[in-house]
Amino acid sequence: DVHLVESGGGLVQPGGSQRLSCAGSGFRFESYWMSWVRQAPGAGLEWVASIKDDGSEKDYADSVKGRFTISRDNGQNSLYLQMDSLRGDDTAVYFCAREAPYGDYLYYFDYWGQGALVTVSS
Amino acid sequence: DIVMSQSPDSLPVSLGERATINCKSSHTVLHSSFNKNYIAWYQQKPGQPPKLLIYWASTRESGVPDRFSGSGSGTDFTLTINSLQAEDVAVYYCQQYYTTPRTFGQGTKVEVK
Repeated sequence: DVHLVESGGGLVQPGGSQRLSCAGSGFRFESYWMSWVRQAPGAGLEWVASIKDDGSEKDYADSVKGRFTISRDNGQNSLYLQMDSLRGDDTAVYFCAREAPYGDYLYYFDYWGQGALVTVSS
Repeated sequence: DIVMSQSPDSLPVSLGERATINCKSSHTVLHSSFNKNYIAWYQQKPGQPPKLLIYWASTRESGVPDRFSGSGSGTDFTLTINSLQAEDVAVYYCQQYYTTPRTFGQGTKVEVK
């Protein structure tokens, strides 16, 4: 079974930094594009960032470009999201999601983790 | 960015009745070369992550009950739940993956009347 488990959420002050991790298991992690999608409290879903299977290509939403960095370690079956210069509107549950198995980018998300809550507040 | 608009925002339906959710995109999501509509539907229950139901507008994900069906083309799409069950109470989202950034509808909350 495919499993995605996020960690690293918590309370952070405005302007601060936080790093999220996502551990994947039950599939060939190194063969899939991976993404982060977030959901503000009581709100809808917003795609944040995606990374190619080998880490050579990345894509970001305009709302986080220049502040967030997506990365991965295929040896550890792990996905990361480094979040800097955090703002109140970054408060959300951050989901790790697997890209559909077409070996390419820009598809739907077929598996999601349970999410990690990041709260940006003083 | 492609804007996805769902209607209604809230949908009360009696158990055993049909629920119909609409999704409209601000730009076509039909890729003419492949003749595929780049639309997915997700179900999200409280405290849970989204679950993939439908992709390519009408292909049901493995394990999804056949009372869920998707239809539409171009800019107008529909998710239909035939014979609503209690476990179908959730928020449903459409998503386009025609272009980046991938965008979602605002969600439709399906509840029991």
